Amino acid sequence: EDQVTQSPEALRLQEGESSSLNCSYTVSGLRGLFWYRQDPGKGPEFLFTLYSAGEEKEKERLKATLTKKESFLHITAPKPEDSATYLCAVVNYGGSQGNLIFGKGTKLSVKP
Amino acid sequence: DTAVSQTPKYLVTQMGNDKSIKCEQNLGHDTMYWYKQDSKKFLKIMFSYNNKELIINETVPNRFSPKSPDKAHLNLHINSLELGDSAVYFCASSQGLAVSTDTQYFGPGTRLTVL
Repeated sequence: EDQVTQSPEALRLQEGESSSLNCSYTVSGLRGLFWYRQDPGKGPEFLFTLYSAGEEKEKERLKATLTKKESFLHITAPKPEDSATYLCAVVNYGGSQGNLIFGKGTKLSVKP
Repeated sequence: DTAVSQTPKYLVTQMGNDKSIKCEQNLGHDTMYWYKQDSKKFLKIMFSYNNKELIINETVPNRFSPKSPDKAHLNLHINSLELGDSAVYFCASSQGLAVSTDTQYFGPGTRLTVL
């Protein structure tokens, strides 16, 4: 069964303390891996799409990387406004329609 | 100029009632979705519509019936509400099908509480 597992469930950082979030996946065939940010009481907000192993994408303090089994979201010198839940999702080759399969997210708290 | 909007934001109702949630997107997308996010924050697909046609129908009780009057709207009607239906429901849209890996844009969510 296709599965997405994120770790840790929660992460508390001091402002400026860099770290990484992990997303490991088991799918029949990866079409794409997505990272979303979700603030409390809001819908997920798109960050990145990665398609193949070795690919990297950056946006401000965030950098997403992809291997054949997992993706990392690296956060460099985070600020309090980076506090949110970060969701990882994959689309697989299974079926003609595909499906966006989400992990349970990592709740990031950045303290000033 | 909200891209994906949902109404209402909050919905509190009694068990056994019937309720609807509305969703509209102004992005010109062809595909719309309904997701359910449970108390553990796990987000799961319920339905997908492409050009008003049902594409994905995950294992969802038939008390849930989506309706798409046009490409820009996808409403969710729920009959005989149960306690376990309490969750946040998100609408989303994308240009192509999910399998195309087009980015999905989410609405702000509707928090449904069944008493």
